[in-house]
Amino acid sequence: EVQLVESGGVVVQPGGSLRLSCAASGFTFDDYAMHWVRQAPGKGLEWVSLISWDGGSTYYADSVKGRFTISRDNSKNSLYLQMNSLRAEDTALYYCAKDAGNYFDYWGQGTLVTVSS
Amino acid sequence: QSALTQPASVSGSPGQSITISCTGTSSDVGGYNYVSWYQQHPGKAPKLMIYDVSNRPSGVSNRFSGSKSGNTASLTISGLQAEDEADYYCSSYTSSSTPVFGGGTKLTVL
Repeated sequence: EVQLVESGGVVVQPGGSLRLSCAASGFTFDDYAMHWVRQAPGKGLEWVSLISWDGGSTYYADSVKGRFTISRDNSKNSLYLQMNSLRAEDTALYYCAKDAGNYFDYWGQGTLVTVSS
Repeated sequence: QSALTQPASVSGSPGQSITISCTGTSSDVGGYNYVSWYQQHPGKAPKLMIYDVSNRPSGVSNRFSGSKSGNTASLTISGLQAEDEADYYCSSYTSSSTPVFGGGTKLTVL
């Protein structure tokens, strides 16, 4: 059974930093690209970032480019999102999602990031 | 990349059919057969319902179907059931090699 478990969400002050993690199991992690997708309270889904199976290619939404860094450790079956210079508008539930070739076939339950003073 | 356009809400009675549209551009919906649809119940993670425009994953009811014409994709749910009440999001691959979501549609089963 595929499982994606996010962690690391907390309350952080504007301008602060945070690292999210996603532990994957139930599939061959290093065969697949992975994504981060976020959802602000009461709002829709917003794609955040994508990393290729080997970490060699990364992509970001314009809203986080230059502030967020996606990475992965295939030896630990883990995905990460380093978030710097956090803003109030980054407040959201952050999901990791498995890529199945231009769509997301499995999602975690999300970890909540709140940016507030 | 601008979000795809979905109606904010749709509604239907049990047993009826409804269709949710998802409009993009030739750089996303119209340019690729890579449209997917997700169902999200309150407090839950999104669930894949349709991929590659019209394919259903194993375990998804055949009451759910997808199609595309030009820059607009559609999700049709036939034989509406109370459990179908949820938010629905479309997504498309784009010319930037990244995905984009629609704004979401709230389905109410009357």
